Amino acid sequence: QKEVEQDPGPLSVPEGAIVSLNCTYSNSAFQYFMWYRQYSRKGPELLMYTYSSGNKEDGRFTAQVDKSSKYISLFIRDSQPSDSATYLCAVLKAAGNKLTFGGGTRVLVKP
Amino acid sequence: ETGVTQTPRHLVMGMTNKKSLKCEQHLGHNAMYWYKQSAKKPLELMFVYNFKEQTENNSVPSRFSPECPNSSHLFLHLHTLQPEDSALYLCASSLTGTGGGGYTFGSGTRLTIV
Repeated sequence: QKEVEQDPGPLSVPEGAIVSLNCTYSNSAFQYFMWYRQYSRKGPELLMYTYSSGNKEDGRFTAQVDKSSKYISLFIRDSQPSDSATYLCAVLKAAGNKLTFGGGTRVLVKP
Repeated sequence: ETGVTQTPRHLVMGMTNKKSLKCEQHLGHNAMYWYKQSAKKPLELMFVYNFKEQTENNSVPSRFSPECPNSSHLFLHLHTLQPEDSALYLCASSLTGTGGGGYTFGSGTRLTIV
């Protein structure tokens, strides 16, 4: 079983729609949760970083963590064509600095 | 220059060549990483350096040889690579022991083995 599972997509939505992304993880030792965005031919860039269960909002982005279900989500409101990218979830144990990534979900926002 | 800079951006090499990838960070971070990104596969951690000491080698073949002369620079020396080594090689940095704060990635080196 992979440590982090993520649907590869692609996920195609019309401009202005809500994009909903999620990951599941297998090890309850993971305590930190991140979402990265990767444009084609670029390195991943950190979008959201959370520690506890619950919601964290930053502009059009909301990250949600449910530790009891080992489930993390990212929502993008009012999606724009510039949001078209691959979104990677990543998890981290409390006592380490070694990120484990999901496989990424490719998102396409159509004008 | 700020962030994490990787050079070269693209590299084509034969299987018998020797080349090196370079990574430099200007963020004051003390941990640096090499990741491999292949098509349709998750990012694979290769090496971790903390305060220029290697703390992780994720069973990487010896044809990949990392070097970290100081906390700001990281190299990946390549020799006698195989076609399956063609991939995007990403360097990242972070503050050690913060529980995250996330990594900062470079733009990567696209490596093609011919």
